[in-house]
Amino acid sequence: LAKTTQPISMDSYEGQEVNITCSHNNIATNDYITWYQQFPSQGPRFIIQGYKTKVTNEVASLFIPADRKSSTLSLPRVSLSDTAVYYCLVVPTGANNLFFGTGTRLTVIP
Amino acid sequence: DAMVIQNPRYQVTQFGKPVTLSCSQTLNHNVMYWYQQKSSQAPKLLFHYYDKDFNNEADTPDNFQSRRPNTSFCFLDIRSPGLGDAAMYLCATSHSGYQETQYFGPGTRLLVL
Repeated sequence: LAKTTQPISMDSYEGQEVNITCSHNNIATNDYITWYQQFPSQGPRFIIQGYKTKVTNEVASLFIPADRKSSTLSLPRVSLSDTAVYYCLVVPTGANNLFFGTGTRLTVIP
Repeated sequence: DAMVIQNPRYQVTQFGKPVTLSCSQTLNHNVMYWYQQKSSQAPKLLFHYYDKDFNNEADTPDNFQSRRPNTSFCFLDIRSPGLGDAAMYLCATSHSGYQETQYFGPGTRLLVL
């Protein structure tokens, strides 16, 4: 089971682009990379999922290099409401466990 | 609009007194999960149901049990809560597997006195 490593915390000013990188050196061929966002006293919320190259949705982009040993979640023009913990997960096909790493606590500063 | 509903949002129990937390879903998903999340920690999977099939994580204490009487409802029973069981308990669903998006409820915060 591929574990993930993320920065514990990050600060950013409003309006800036934020990039959070996750390392997953032991990722397997069929594993997907998924990111969740969690606000205080709420359940995590799915942000984005990808397998390779680049995925973009209305909330974020996910960049995955060719070796897939890392991935970067990109949040364009963050606002105060983006202050949350962001979790990177590597999800294997047919896995019987889902492991949340430590997460990155993003604080957006006015 | 609510998709995964957890009741109550806050639960207070006494040390050793059994407590049940409930979760319901309107998504008709096959899989339902229970997670425990302690303060400033990541969610930790306790067990999940794939339809009626129960899957327990290896390190989930026997003190924690679960029931899923039908597709929509799932319960978490803590038989003898200890002080260390105080946490947020999160219920989640997915259509049919781990690689799919999980939809989380708002959680139930359990306090053990």
